[in-house]
Amino acid sequence: KAGVTQTPRYLIKTRGQQVTLSCSPISGHRSVSWYQQTPGQGLQFLFEYFSETQRNKGNFPGRFSGRQFSNSRSEMNVSTLELGDSALYLCASSSLAGSSYEQYFGPGTRLTVT
Amino acid sequence: AQSVTQLGSHVSVSEGALVLLRCNYSSSVPPYLFWYVQYPNQGLQLLLKYTTGATLVKGINGFEAEFKKSETSFHLTKPSAHMSDAAEYFCAVSDTGDMRFGAGTRLTVKP
Repeated sequence: KAGVTQTPRYLIKTRGQQVTLSCSPISGHRSVSWYQQTPGQGLQFLFEYFSETQRNKGNFPGRFSGRQFSNSRSEMNVSTLELGDSALYLCASSSLAGSSYEQYFGPGTRLTVT
Repeated sequence: AQSVTQLGSHVSVSEGALVLLRCNYSSSVPPYLFWYVQYPNQGLQLLLKYTTGATLVKGINGFEAEFKKSETSFHLTKPSAHMSDAAEYFCAVSDTGDMRFGAGTRLTVKP
C-alpha cells in the first residue's frame, strides 16, 4: 500500500499570503488529522476530518482551516500568513476516527514564511 | 485534558547500551499511549502503542514500553542501542479524541 503523501514538500510564502497544503491518505483510510510542528511549540494538533466532517479541532486561530473530499483526500488552508506560521505541517491518516487508533504520518510540508 | 511529559530533551547513549526514554502522562480516563520516532526530514513512524490488555508492549526495531498506571508512566526501552536508533522520539496520549504529543527526546548514539 502506498503511504500518506503530502504535497508540496517545501513551500516559501510571503507574510500576508495564503497557502493550501494537500494530503492523500492511505487507501481505505477515512480519517485525516493535521499537525503543526515547530521547534518552540512541538507537535500541535490542528484538526481531524472523518468522512468529510471535521470531528475535532485544536486551539488554532480561524486563519487555519481544512476540508476533506469524498475520496478522503484533505487540504488545509492558512490565510494571511504570519512569520510564526513557519513550520512543518504533518498529515496523518487512520482507518477509523478518533486518535485511539494508529495514525500513519506523511513526510510533511515544510512551510517557510518570509 | 490529557497531557504528556517527556523527561529529558536529549539522551545520549553508547552503542550497545540500554536505551531508556521516559514518558509520564496525565489523563482523566484510561488512556491510549503511543511512542513515535521521527528521523530527520521525515514524518513520524509508530513504534508501539498501548490500548488495553498486556501492560508490556513490544514494538518495532526491538523497542518495548511498559504501561504503569500507578506511576502514570509509559517509558520506552531497548536493551542494546544501535547507531540507526539516533532520532527524535515522541510519546503521545489520546483519551478524548485528539492526540497530544510530548515535547520529544532526541536520542544520540555514540560509537
